[in-house]
Amino acid sequence: KAGVTQTPRYLIKTRGQQVTLSCSPISGHRSVSWYQQTPGQGLQFLFEYFSETQRNKGNFPGRFSGRQFSNSRSEMNVSTLELGDSALYLCASSWYSAGLRGEAFFGQGTRLTVV
Amino acid sequence: GQQVMQIPQYQHVQEGEDFTTYCNSSTTLSNIQWYKQRPGGHPVFLIQLVKSGEVKKQKRLTFQFGEAKKNSSLHITATQTTDVGTYFCAVGNRDDKIIFGKGTRLHILP
Repeated sequence: KAGVTQTPRYLIKTRGQQVTLSCSPISGHRSVSWYQQTPGQGLQFLFEYFSETQRNKGNFPGRFSGRQFSNSRSEMNVSTLELGDSALYLCASSWYSAGLRGEAFFGQGTRLTVV
Repeated sequence: GQQVMQIPQYQHVQEGEDFTTYCNSSTTLSNIQWYKQRPGGHPVFLIQLVKSGEVKKQKRLTFQFGEAKKNSSLHITATQTTDVGTYFCAVGNRDDKIIFGKGTRLHILP
């Protein structure tokens, strides 16, 4: 069974640009969550998608957005990049049903550097 | 919002010594999960605790869930260099978000 796949693995962007990151969850998992990881802040929850709908959202500005497709693949977009957006962006998939959730399986992450 | 405090932030131990990290919440938890992230890697699920007072063991790792379901601990006996990494606890809040603690980074001194 293939794991969670994130592309690209590394990105370098300049301030003001926008970026799109992709995540393919484990087959059968319909819940996809995104996290931002920085050395000082740990894992910060961005948002979660389930069946193409955003179920939850963290405390990030509107520059951070996402979507999920019918095959459960998800993308997140960051517009007008700032230096502080440099981080490791992790995607996690899990099964979710009737309020019960399985463990999160993480992808390798996308390392975004904003210069 | 849901807050989960994890202590200590860093821990240096001699190889062979024991290690413990704690996760504390101000509210009662339905369950708690523990993850390990190796340097340069991604978080990997270790275990989930659900019941009050639950204790689970995985070889040298012992996980406990407090009686009040507000705290949890991960204890490693006789650490080895393979134990190096950051250990995170994760809890579900009222909005069903999965909130991670800031993690405890474990360094092993040879």
